[in-house]
Amino acid sequence: AQTVTQSQPEMSVQEAETVTLSCTYDTSESDYYLFWYKQPPSRQMILVIRQEAYKQQNATENRFSVNFQKAAKSFSLKISDSQLGDAAMYFCAYQASGTYKYIFGTGTRLKVLA
Amino acid sequence: GAGVSQSPSNKVTEKGKDVELRCDPISGHTALYWYRQSLGQGLEFLIYFQGNSAPDKSGLPSDRFSAERTGGSVSTLTIQRTQQEDSAVYLCASSLRGRGGTEAFFGQGTRLTVV
Repeated sequence: AQTVTQSQPEMSVQEAETVTLSCTYDTSESDYYLFWYKQPPSRQMILVIRQEAYKQQNATENRFSVNFQKAAKSFSLKISDSQLGDAAMYFCAYQASGTYKYIFGTGTRLKVLA
Repeated sequence: GAGVSQSPSNKVTEKGKDVELRCDPISGHTALYWYRQSLGQGLEFLIYFQGNSAPDKSGLPSDRFSAERTGGSVSTLTIQRTQQEDSAVYLCASSLRGRGGTEAFFGQGTRLTVV
C-alpha cells in the first residue's frame, strides 16, 4: 500500500528566511503525482505545488519549490523569503497515475516568526 | 459555484443523534471526495464519487456512515448514532476528473463535535 510520511510535526522559520519541509512516500508505481497543500486556520486546503513523477525538472511556483528525488522517494518543499501568511499546516499528498485517491501525510505545522 | 461549499461549518451534536453534512462541489467537477481530519492526524479517505456512483466506499469506518450524491452535484454524508470518536473535521473536495493528477479543490470543512 502506498504511504506518505511527514516526519516533522512542527517547524519554525524566521520571517524572510528559507525553510524546507520534508516528505517521503512509499510506492511500487513508476508513474504518479505529488502535491503540497496548505491548510491555513480557515481550514480550506489550497494547492501550493504539483509534481509529475515522469518529469525530472523540479516544480517551482514563485517562492515555493520542490526537491523531487524519485529514487529516494523524497519530495521536500522549500519556501523562500518566508512571510507571515505562510504560517499554516502543510500536507504532502500522493496520487498514482490512473487512480483517483489522494493519499495524504500527517502534516507539518509551520510557524513564521516576526 | 465559485468554490466547494460545505455546510454547516460547525456542528455540535449529542451522542447517539444522527447528523447530515452537506457538500456542494464546483460545477462541472465529476469527482467528489470525503475525507476526515482528526486532531493530529492526516486526512483519512472516506469515500469517492464519480458522477453519482461511489466506486470506492472502502474508507467508511463503519455502517453508521453513509453518503450519497445526487444529480452529479451535491453530496450528503450521514452519520447515524454518532459516537464521541466521530468528532473531527469532515472535508469535501472535488476535481474535474479525479484522475491524472488533477487538482482537488477543498471546502472549508465541517467541524463535528459529539458531546
